[in-house]
This record gives sequence, C-alpha cells and structure tokens, in this order.
Amino acid sequence: DTAVSQTPKYLVTQMGNDKSIKCEQNLGHDTMYWYKQDSKKFLKIMFSYNNKELIINETVPNRFSPKSPDKAHLNLHINSLELGDSAVYFCASSQVTGALFETQYFGPGTRLLVL
Amino acid sequence: TQLLEQSPQFLSIQEGENLTVYCNSSSVFSSLQWYRQEPGEGPVLLVTVVTGGEVKKLKRLTFQFGDARKDSSLHITAAQPGDTGLYLCAGDSAGNTPLVFGKGTRLSVIA
Repeated sequence: DTAVSQTPKYLVTQMGNDKSIKCEQNLGHDTMYWYKQDSKKFLKIMFSYNNKELIINETVPNRFSPKSPDKAHLNLHINSLELGDSAVYFCASSQVTGALFETQYFGPGTRLLVL
Repeated sequence: TQLLEQSPQFLSIQEGENLTVYCNSSSVFSSLQWYRQEPGEGPVLLVTVVTGGEVKKLKRLTFQFGDARKDSSLHITAAQPGDTGLYLCAGDSAGNTPLVFGKGTRLSVIA
C-alpha cells in the first residue's frame, strides 16, 4: 500500500495556467506538508497543515493556495503559473506525538514544468 | 534563518571505498535526520539522531551527531552502487518550526 501518494506525477503546462496537485496519505497522520525542490535539489517547506488547519506558511506567493478537505488530504492549487514555478513538489506527512522529533514520510513527488 | 551546510556537494567514488559526508550549522538542533533520495523518488528517512555525541549504525552506514548538536556526519563503509543517491540532512528545532533541509550530497558509487 502506498503511504503518501501524489497525483499527477508529471505536469507540463503553459505559463499563466491554473493547476492543482493532489496528495493523500493513508497513515492516519495529523500533519501534512508541501515542499518544493528546485533544480539544485534544495528542499524547502511551503506549507504545513495539522488536522486541516494551516500551521506553517513560509514566504510563498499567494498564487499558491493549499486546501485540506480532511486530515488525509492536502491539495495544492497554483494560479497563474510562472516559469519559476517549475520544480518537483513533494507532499509529506507526520504524526505529532509530542516527542522530540517526528518522522516525515514523503510522497513520490510531482514534477511540474511550466513552458 | 537556520542553515544546514552539506559537504561535499558531489562525490563520485569506486565501489568498495569508504566515504564521509558532513552536515554543519551554526545553530543548535534538537534532532537531526538523514534522508536518502533516489532519482525520481521522494526522500526516505534513514536515521534520526537526538543526543549530542550520539552514534548510530545502520549496516554499513554510521551516523554521528556532534556534541554541541550543531553538526552531523554520515560515514559509509565499503560503498556499493546501491548507495548511489542524494543524501539530505534535516534539522529539527522542536516546537512549531519546520524541518530545515540541507542542499544535499549527491553520491555516485561506480561499480
């Protein structure tokens, strides 16, 4: 069974379009994340949701809007796509246990190419 | 802003060689995680180190957390082609702060 799944795996689109990426986790975790990995492989957090509530929103353009219909899903909608949005977007989830650390489980990534 | 610097950025070695990659910061972390990412896949957690000075072994991989909890190293003994990948370290400051990732070390082990 896939723990964290993302669709689509590849997304090629024109500048100015609006697109969505979906993420689902079947691990029963409370917290989900979106990361962006650029061409230099730098992985940077964009958003974090805990139980459908936004808890982390790094400096991301407001063209990016996450939506969490339930705690197992965190979708990412991007308006007016720009060339610089081309990257690999990873969804991840973790369980907040109050321990010192928590393991994040990553999805396989969505490769977005904006032409 | 907390930063994690990883070195070297690229490493290409022959099968059977030993190697060490480093993850350094000027900030203190409550824990530090190491991930391996293979081409076309998401990062997969290898280990988490929590205590300063801690050493953890995972088969041929040895992870060390610095005494001051600012740095970590990953040593691979007798590298194999299957070790090829991007090794990422990520620091956790606890509380409601996100993981901070380094830029990774891209390892290529040639048979």
